[in-house]
Amino acid sequence: GAGVSQSPRYKVAKRGQDVALRCDPISGHVSLFWYQQALGQGPEFLTYFQNEAQLDKSGLPSDRFFAERPEGSVSTLKIQRTQQEDSAVYLCASSLDPRVYNEQFFGPGTRLTVL
Amino acid sequence: AQTVTQSQPEMSVQEAETVTLSCTYDTSESDYYLFWYKQPPSRQMILVIRQEAYKQQNATENRFSVNFQKAAKSFSLKISDSQLGDAAMYFCAYKAGGYQKVTFGTGTKLQVIP
Repeated sequence: GAGVSQSPRYKVAKRGQDVALRCDPISGHVSLFWYQQALGQGPEFLTYFQNEAQLDKSGLPSDRFFAERPEGSVSTLKIQRTQQEDSAVYLCASSLDPRVYNEQFFGPGTRLTVL
Repeated sequence: AQTVTQSQPEMSVQEAETVTLSCTYDTSESDYYLFWYKQPPSRQMILVIRQEAYKQQNATENRFSVNFQKAAKSFSLKISDSQLGDAAMYFCAYKAGGYQKVTFGTGTKLQVIP
């Protein structure tokens, strides 16, 4: 079946604009994760969903960042009033069952550039 | 807080040779997992190998193996018979048991020389 997909692949925003990044996880995967990867760095955890419930949002850097997964499948990461420091690749990952260890499958990422 | 440290920003290896990538971590947990992920230039992260902390035996996946030293909190990746397709960023990562959050290191860029 298809892997994790993300759209758009590239996004350029002017400082102050709002952006929305979409993640389509693998069908049937319960867990969904968002990561932020700055240039030359490893991914940093942003938030985690189990079905539609956002169980951990400890990594969101500010209240300008908001994520949702209303029907337990597709997720959207929204960034309001974008700043230059928000420029990064945003990675989405999904895994099958949070009750046991399951491999996280990553999407290709969305590269956000804030001018 | 858990931290993962990769002290080698870049490494190179001749094709068909062996290379070892280093990783150290810090945790107070007794139940955890360690991973090596590969991120080729296309940026899709792929799991290479994983190790459960409770297992003493080092994990092996074909040409990839780890040296897990629990007391030293060290977790190195050995790639044998290196191939051109192994060229990528490699990230060491940690996950505490019972939690979902994965903590990544800063990565090692591996170059394979033909």
